[in-house]
Amino acid sequence: DTEVTQTPKHLVMGMTNKKSLKCEQHMGHRAMYWYKQKAKKPPELMFVYSYEKLSINESVPSRFSPECPNSSLLNLHLHALQPEDSALYLCASRPGLQGNEQFFGPGTRLTVL
Amino acid sequence: AQSVTQLGSHVSVSEGALVLLRCNYSSSVPPYLFWYVQYPNQGLQLLLKYTSAATLVKGINGFEAEFKKSETSFHLTKPSAHMSDAAEYFCAVSDISDSWGKLQFGAGTQVVVTP
Repeated sequence: DTEVTQTPKHLVMGMTNKKSLKCEQHMGHRAMYWYKQKAKKPPELMFVYSYEKLSINESVPSRFSPECPNSSLLNLHLHALQPEDSALYLCASRPGLQGNEQFFGPGTRLTVL
Repeated sequence: AQSVTQLGSHVSVSEGALVLLRCNYSSSVPPYLFWYVQYPNQGLQLLLKYTSAATLVKGINGFEAEFKKSETSFHLTKPSAHMSDAAEYFCAVSDISDSWGKLQFGAGTQVVVTP
């Protein structure tokens, strides 16, 4: 299995809803990433997990809450989002060694009403 | 801080013509360099990478890139464009000293292929 999967593919939520995005990889990668991508822009890093520990939080608002239950799974819990949070959310994973590329999932298209 | 510049946010090429996408980085120490492609409503797919081995790197789908330290560049080329090459292309760098492998992306170049 050489891919990163993300569910759901699309998500529409209201500003008072609570929802979660899921990312899974079975490549044995120990680093996992969440990105936010707005239209016509490059991905912006949100969080980095290394060996299931949160290593980097790029000053992301607390309405986004990441979780790494095990080495294969990464969640992003969403609560009280704003319309400007609407974007494509990408997950990526990487082998631990330096110089290796990140493998990206297909993304979740989030719309906040 | 590391920065990446992609010259040209939008490139239009004829089918069969050369594709040339430019990428320059800012650091004095050569970083790891990557080219990714993104098709509409999809994730990013790696085309190729440079990690201090051969300066001419061959990737998937007929793409290649040449690392030029003197010019701090890593331009992407394909000799003959195909309609399926229409996509967004991102150049990205990662500091060799960064154990998290964080990527700094360029702004991206939209490639349009005309018949």
